[in-house]
Amino acid sequence: AQSVTQPDIHITVSEGASLELRCNYSYGATPYLFWYVQSPGQGLQLLLKYFSGDTLVQGIKGFEAEFKRSQSSFNLRKPSVHWSDAAEYFCAVGINTGTASKLTFGTGTRLQVTL
Amino acid sequence: EPEVTQTPSHQVTQMGQEVILRCVPISNHLYFYWYRQILGQKVEFLVSFYNNEISEKSEIFDDQFSVERPDGSNFTLKIRSTKLEDSAMYFCASNRGREEKLFFGSGTQLSVL
Repeated sequence: AQSVTQPDIHITVSEGASLELRCNYSYGATPYLFWYVQSPGQGLQLLLKYFSGDTLVQGIKGFEAEFKRSQSSFNLRKPSVHWSDAAEYFCAVGINTGTASKLTFGTGTRLQVTL
Repeated sequence: EPEVTQTPSHQVTQMGQEVILRCVPISNHLYFYWYRQILGQKVEFLVSFYNNEISEKSEIFDDQFSVERPDGSNFTLKIRSTKLEDSAMYFCASNRGREEKLFFGSGTQLSVL
């Protein structure tokens, strides 16, 4: 069965600093990979996704992620963090079961941004 | 951008009571899902629904749970007899196709007392 590991439960960065959130997955085939963000009281918003092709994926809000098959990783990066980026970030692996797209989420990384 | 709408945002119920969580998926979407997130834990898949029937369900989705699309716009999750451990944030989601972007609602926080 597929699984996702986000090793960092909580990360604090200063505004303007760069950010990297780690994600490792386990899946037997080529995965569909996603990063979602959840702000307090909000739903899950898709930041970016990887299905195939270019392994460096650009998303919304200046985020990008790189798929590295050899490391089973899909780390999220942002060159300069803004205070509004403070939220919970979830990595997920998706599989098409034939009748649905089913996501398995990691436990999330809470990002705190200091001014 | 279109939205998935969930009501209510917060529901409190007594153990053993039935609850119905309501969702209005995006109008041209064909696949519908429920996920849940117990406080401090990961978001978990519960069930997917397509063509008016359940297409996949997790081991969490036992006989106490049911889903329904009673009309052309609503998608509901019913918990027949709630337990304390059902307390969680429940997210509805939908997409147009299996490989399409999944849109999530803002969730219903269910508290079972």
